[in-house]
Amino acid sequence: QVQLQESGPGLVKPSGTLSLTCAVSGGSISSSNWWSWVRQPPGKGLEWIGEIYHSGSTNYNPSLKSRVTISVDKSKNQFSLKLSSVTAADTAVYYCARGIYYSGTYYMDVWGKGTTVTVSS
Amino acid sequence: SSELTQDPAVSVALGQTVRITCQGDSLRSYYASWYQQKPGQAPVLVIYGENNRPSGIPDRFSGSSSGNTASLTITGAQAEDEADYYCISRDSSGNHLVVFGGGTKLTVL
Repeated sequence: QVQLQESGPGLVKPSGTLSLTCAVSGGSISSSNWWSWVRQPPGKGLEWIGEIYHSGSTNYNPSLKSRVTISVDKSKNQFSLKLSSVTAADTAVYYCARGIYYSGTYYMDVWGKGTTVTVSS
Repeated sequence: SSELTQDPAVSVALGQTVRITCQGDSLRSYYASWYQQKPGQAPVLVIYGENNRPSGIPDRFSGSSSGNTASLTITGAQAEDEADYYCISRDSSGNHLVVFGGGTKLTVL
């Protein structure tokens, strides 16, 4: 079955760029799914960051849109997140997830285990 | 609208039935999906679509929807059901967004 694995630096300096990758195994990133990034600050709820389709089409959370870029690398079967100008408020566990979307229905059926990113000097 | 509203906390006695609700305009157009999250773990999908359970999810979990409100019902709550529960939907205003509820902390007494 499909599995997702996040990877990237666990520590990012303020004003820097957070970069994470989600490797997809057991399936193709070119399947008819949307691939999302979700984060969870310590002690808080889940927040959707954005999503990408294998064609490269993207949708972003308006509150983060100016700082977020999500891209896909079909040759490596992975997708990536870049979040620029980070502050301490971007400290969170970051998850990648697979989204299933069809008429009137949307759900995220596969999640990575998450990776903790701390923004600190 | 791009908001889903959940009660912050709900409690249930062991073995009793509890309903967790999620409200939002988008739920008039999209089914909510429901996720269970235990401390230090990734969210797990428990209900999707009209009332579908992924493989491995106990049948004490069920979902329903009416108007702008979706509900997750746990019939005969177990100690291991104590967790945070989140609802997710698509935004129905044409903005192509995913919307999350704020989460409900379920305590099993």
